[in-house]
Amino acid sequence: NAGVTQTPKFQVLKTGQSMTLQCAQDMNHNSMYWYRQDPGMGLRLIYYSASEGTTDKGEVPNGYNVSRLNKREFSLRLESAAPSQTSVYFCASRGTGGTEAFFGQGTRLTVV
Amino acid sequence: AQSVTQLGSHVSVSEGALVLLRCNYSSSVPPYLFWYVQYPNQGLQLLLKYTSAATLVKGINGFEAEFKKSETSFHLTKPSAHMSDAAEYFCARGGNMLTFGGGTRLMVKP
Repeated sequence: NAGVTQTPKFQVLKTGQSMTLQCAQDMNHNSMYWYRQDPGMGLRLIYYSASEGTTDKGEVPNGYNVSRLNKREFSLRLESAAPSQTSVYFCASRGTGGTEAFFGQGTRLTVV
Repeated sequence: AQSVTQLGSHVSVSEGALVLLRCNYSSSVPPYLFWYVQYPNQGLQLLLKYTSAATLVKGINGFEAEFKKSETSFHLTKPSAHMSDAAEYFCARGGNMLTFGGGTRLMVKP
């Protein structure tokens, strides 16, 4: 019972490099989310997808792009990484109505 | 914009003492509300959720929260803290966008 799987778990990038964070869920959820977690700031929503084929900006979308590849997968891309994007990134998925979100284990990204 | 405010970024209690973590939300209608816990180097896991069925919600590990519409609050409590409760706690408000508060780090002293 995998739930939400994120890859990679750790990554170090140089400024200007690009990378894609992968997320997959096996719970047949419609909604998927990408958050970043920084000390003292809680979780801030980057992008979310309410259903396959739709994506919407969250609180902090600048510097990121997303793709909802299918119902299972939601990827986050950094086109040109900056030190300000050093953070822990979490993917989550959620069913309909008042159901709770399920989280992956996170990706710790450092941009040097 | 809808928001969630957690009062107190750090809370310290003695083992056996009452735990009270505060959460206030801004919303024109009663929202879905959640409390999550995060242990070091892990993802978030659900403690409890409010979905309008009952104002007092019981969760895992002895935690509970009371929804008070008049105060727009959803504070988390536990009668007696254990050392294992030391973690970071997040209040969240759900709609299409799931919005989190800034988190409260709970420290439990022996």
